Amino acid sequence: EDQVTQSPEALRLQEGESSSLNCSYTVSGLRGLFWYRQDPGKGPEFLFTLYSAGEEKEKERLKATLTKKESFLHITAPKPEDSATYLCAVQAGGYNKLIFGAGTRLAVHP
Amino acid sequence: DSGVTQTPKHLITATGQRVTLRCSPRSGDLSVYWYQQSLDQGLQFLIQYYNGEERAKGNILERFSAQQFPDLHSELNLSSLELGDSALYFCASSPSGLGETQYFGPGTRLLVL
Repeated sequence: EDQVTQSPEALRLQEGESSSLNCSYTVSGLRGLFWYRQDPGKGPEFLFTLYSAGEEKEKERLKATLTKKESFLHITAPKPEDSATYLCAVQAGGYNKLIFGAGTRLAVHP
Repeated sequence: DSGVTQTPKHLITATGQRVTLRCSPRSGDLSVYWYQQSLDQGLQFLIQYYNGEERAKGNILERFSAQQFPDLHSELNLSSLELGDSALYFCASSPSGLGETQYFGPGTRLLVL
């Protein structure tokens, strides 16, 4: 069964303290891996799409990487406004649906 | 702003009632997806429509149904509501489907009392 696991469940950082979030997946035939940011009560906001192992994408303080079994979201010198839940999702096989992990709740304190 | 719109933002209703949630996809997108987000289940795929036709079904209850109209907007109908149906309901859209990024709307928060 296709599965996505995110760790840690929650992460507390000081402003400027870099860290990484992990997304491990077990799927048959990965079509794409997606990272979203979600603020409380809001819709998921698209961050990155990765399609193949070795691929990397960057946007401001965020960098996403992909291997054959996991993806990392690296946050460099985070700011309080980076506080949110970060969701990882995969699309696999012949299916269009996204399978989401439970998310990592990130809190960045000044 | 993703370009996906959903109405209403909030909905409060009673058990046994029926409600309709509405979604307008991004301009040019033919696929619409519905997801449910509850505290204990996370984001779960319900159903996908592509250009008016049902394309894929997830863990959607028989009490729930959806459709996509010729102008590509979609409606999710929830009937015989139960307390456990209280959740955030999101609509997402993409140009066609496979391998494409899905852009999410702001959601409808449903509270069943």
